[in-house]
Amino acid sequence: SQQGEEDPQALSIQEGENATMNCSYKTSINNLQWYRQNSGRGLVHLILIRSNEREKHSGRLRVTLDTSKKSSSLLITASRAADTASYFCATERGSYIPTFGRGTSLIVHP
Amino acid sequence: DTAVSQTPKYLVTQMGNDKSIKCEQNLGHDTMYWYKQDSKKFLKIMFSYNNKELIINETVPNRFSPKSPDKAHLNLHINSLELGDSAVYFCASSQDLGTGTGELFFGEGSRLTVL
Repeated sequence: SQQGEEDPQALSIQEGENATMNCSYKTSINNLQWYRQNSGRGLVHLILIRSNEREKHSGRLRVTLDTSKKSSSLLITASRAADTASYFCATERGSYIPTFGRGTSLIVHP
Repeated sequence: DTAVSQTPKYLVTQMGNDKSIKCEQNLGHDTMYWYKQDSKKFLKIMFSYNNKELIINETVPNRFSPKSPDKAHLNLHINSLELGDSAVYFCASSQDLGTGTGELFFGEGSRLTVL
């Protein structure tokens, strides 16, 4: 069954603005990951946050995890046109097999 | 060097045919996966192989059969193709299942179109 649900489905912003995407899930998890997919390409791992962590940073990326609300957010600061892509969250439960949602399609206008 | 490579990248075929998609990883990973991405971009797990052993099969029709000759290869064979099989199929690998490190390395995808 589908585990992660990204929100919004689509996001359109101007270069330089921040982009925030959210992920909600239904059951307890071991960790949550964010991936990026450029059009016509495979997914690329961005960041992993464990269930006992609340926030992680990587460059212009900031990920938060709220296990009480079963939700995570991905913030991309000072967005660039090259950030245009789809972003997916993936959750891992007991089987440790990452389960994905439908992603958020981000368009950054130059 | 491509870490996870899958062939072919595009595949167009008629209903009822049988086709295969090949996947190879040169990362020395123990676990490989097949995911299906539909037209709405939903990415669904199909199979996972750990050290050549099938460890999960998520309600996939038995027309789909994964074959792993060794831990670096996980091929997907599909019999009697149906229109609904049209999708992009992604192969992926990870270092070890059960450690929670979890990072998947994906191939570039194989777009299957069934006419």
